[in-house]
Amino acid sequence: EAGVTQSPTHLIKTRGQQVTLRCSPISGHTSVYWYQQALGLGLQFLLWYDEGEERNRGNFPPRFSGRQFPNYSSELNVNALELEDSALYLCASSLGWGEQFFGPGTRLTVL
Amino acid sequence: GQQVMQIPQYQHVQEGEDFTTYCNSSTTLSNIQWYKQRPGGHPVFLIQLVKSGEVKKQKRLTFQFGEAKKNSSLHITATQTTDVGTYFCALSNTGNQFYFGTGTSLTVIP
Repeated sequence: EAGVTQSPTHLIKTRGQQVTLRCSPISGHTSVYWYQQALGLGLQFLLWYDEGEERNRGNFPPRFSGRQFPNYSSELNVNALELEDSALYLCASSLGWGEQFFGPGTRLTVL
Repeated sequence: GQQVMQIPQYQHVQEGEDFTTYCNSSTTLSNIQWYKQRPGGHPVFLIQLVKSGEVKKQKRLTFQFGEAKKNSSLHITATQTTDVGTYFCALSNTGNQFYFGTGTSLTVIP
């Protein structure tokens, strides 16, 4: 069974640009979570999608947004990039309230 | 929002010594999960605790959920170099929304 996949692996952008990150959950998982992990820091909750709906969002500005598609894959969009947005963006999927399975992450560098 | 305190932030131990990390919440929890993230890797699920006072063991790892369901601990007996990584607790008071602690980074000195 394939695990959670994320694309791209690495991304370099400049301030003010926009970026879209993608996540494909494990087959059958309906919940997708997005987290931001700045270098050496913990995981900050960004967004939670379930059954195509946004269920909750963390304490991030509106320029962080996303969506979940009918096949449960998800996108994370970040507009007007700032230097402090440089981080590892992790996607996780779960079935119900069980364990979260994490993807390898997308490393975003903003110059 | 949920406040998650995890201590210590860093721990260096000699191989063979024990290690404990603690997770404390400001509110009563429905459940708690523990994850391990190896350097350069992504978090991997270790265990989930649901019941008050619950204790679960996985080989040298012992996980405990407090009686009041506001704290938890992870204890590793006789650490090995393979235990190196950052250990995160993830707390939920709703059952499906999890907030991660700041993590404890464990270094094991051979």
